[in-house]
Amino acid sequence: NAGVTQTPKFRVLKTGQSMTLLCAQDMNHEYMYWYRQDPGMGLRLIHYSVGEGTTAKGEVPDGYNVSRLKKQNFLLGLESAAPSQTSVYFCASSRGQGVLLLHFGNGTRLTVT
Amino acid sequence: RKEVEQDPGPFNVPEGATVAFNCTYSNSASQSFFWYRQDCRKEPKLLMSVYSSGNEDGRFTAQLNRASQYISLLIRDSKLSDSATYLCVVNIAASYKLIFGSGTRLLVRP
Repeated sequence: NAGVTQTPKFRVLKTGQSMTLLCAQDMNHEYMYWYRQDPGMGLRLIHYSVGEGTTAKGEVPDGYNVSRLKKQNFLLGLESAAPSQTSVYFCASSRGQGVLLLHFGNGTRLTVT
Repeated sequence: RKEVEQDPGPFNVPEGATVAFNCTYSNSASQSFFWYRQDCRKEPKLLMSVYSSGNEDGRFTAQLNRASQYISLLIRDSKLSDSATYLCVVNIAASYKLIFGSGTRLLVRP
């Protein structure tokens, strides 16, 4: 039982490049989230999903897209990376149905130069 | 104004001390409250939920004050291993979203 797994763990991009971060959970959770964490700002919600095939915008969605084609996977895409997207990205999942306990992945450290 | 505000600290205390953190929230529709712990360069992990009547888990006590819109975390008999950042987390009623505070850093010294 791996819980929530994020890949990759580290990545360096040049401005304008694209990439996809993968989040996978094996707990059959309904809800999945992508957060970014920056110094002094805490975790900010980028996008979230309350079920397979559904996504919604969070607090800071600009510059990101997401997809939830399978219940266990939640992908975060950066189409044209910018230095402002340098951050630590955390994926999380929760069972849903009123249960909001979040299980986090280990994080992805992204640097955009 | 941030939806969830915390004193960033750091709180620097000796082993065995009692330390308390507060967290204020701005949305009166907030209905669920949590404390998460985050170690340096690691993911956040749930420390405890906060119930209306207050709750205790070993050395940790959490309390909620709805009238003043704040929650608190009290740590008794601090251990070196308690050194971490403590995140206050709030859920707004009828929302799937959890709002995180920016965290309070605790350093426990020998």
